[in-house]
Amino acid sequence: GAVVSQHPSWVICKSGTSVKIECRSLDFQATTMFWYRQFPKQSLMLMATSNEGSKATYEQGVEKDKFLINHASLTLSTLTVTSAHPEDSSFYICSAYLAAQETQYFGPGTRLLVL
Amino acid sequence: RKEVEQDPGPFNVPEGATVAFNCTYSNSASQSFFWYRQDCRKEPKLLMSVYSSGNEDGRFTAQLNRASQYISLLIRDSKLSDSATYLCAVNVGGGADGLTFGKGTHLIIQP
Repeated sequence: GAVVSQHPSWVICKSGTSVKIECRSLDFQATTMFWYRQFPKQSLMLMATSNEGSKATYEQGVEKDKFLINHASLTLSTLTVTSAHPEDSSFYICSAYLAAQETQYFGPGTRLLVL
Repeated sequence: RKEVEQDPGPFNVPEGATVAFNCTYSNSASQSFFWYRQDCRKEPKLLMSVYSSGNEDGRFTAQLNRASQYISLLIRDSKLSDSATYLCAVNVGGGADGLTFGKGTHLIIQP
């Protein structure tokens, strides 16, 4: 149990385009999901907290208009990187919070390369 | 968010040996603590939560020292498959709050 999927697993796009990443909790409902980003040899950095049915909460320094988050159901959160630039190239990982176990389960991540 | 610090290593350890590493956190209000394992180019996977009284799971033992604000992970009888990066994570708010991760400690088990 407690499986989280992400789609796509990797994406290459041109600078200026938008990219949507989906995060799904497959066998449990998650009121809260999180989006993290990890640059090479760096730690995972929390970008935002996604709450079902309400606006996401963004960490300091993360532009909410650039990283659009939608959490429309208890099993799906999406992150859209708008007008992506090469510096947005990173490993984007979501997690879903399973309240019964007080644990976050991570998706497999999405590698984004912006050319 | 406050920092979480780890020695990046790498720790080169012979198979069968015992290895331990620590993680320090700066926010004394931190409530929950975790060790995750991350393999190259993969997502982190929960290894174990860390409880105040310390806890053990097979060859792995985790300890929490609130006074000194650090957590530790001990791996006994290390296996080749233990080679990975071990991430320390801290949750300040408790419950459904985002995690603050350290950069990880790279462990290499040598045959």
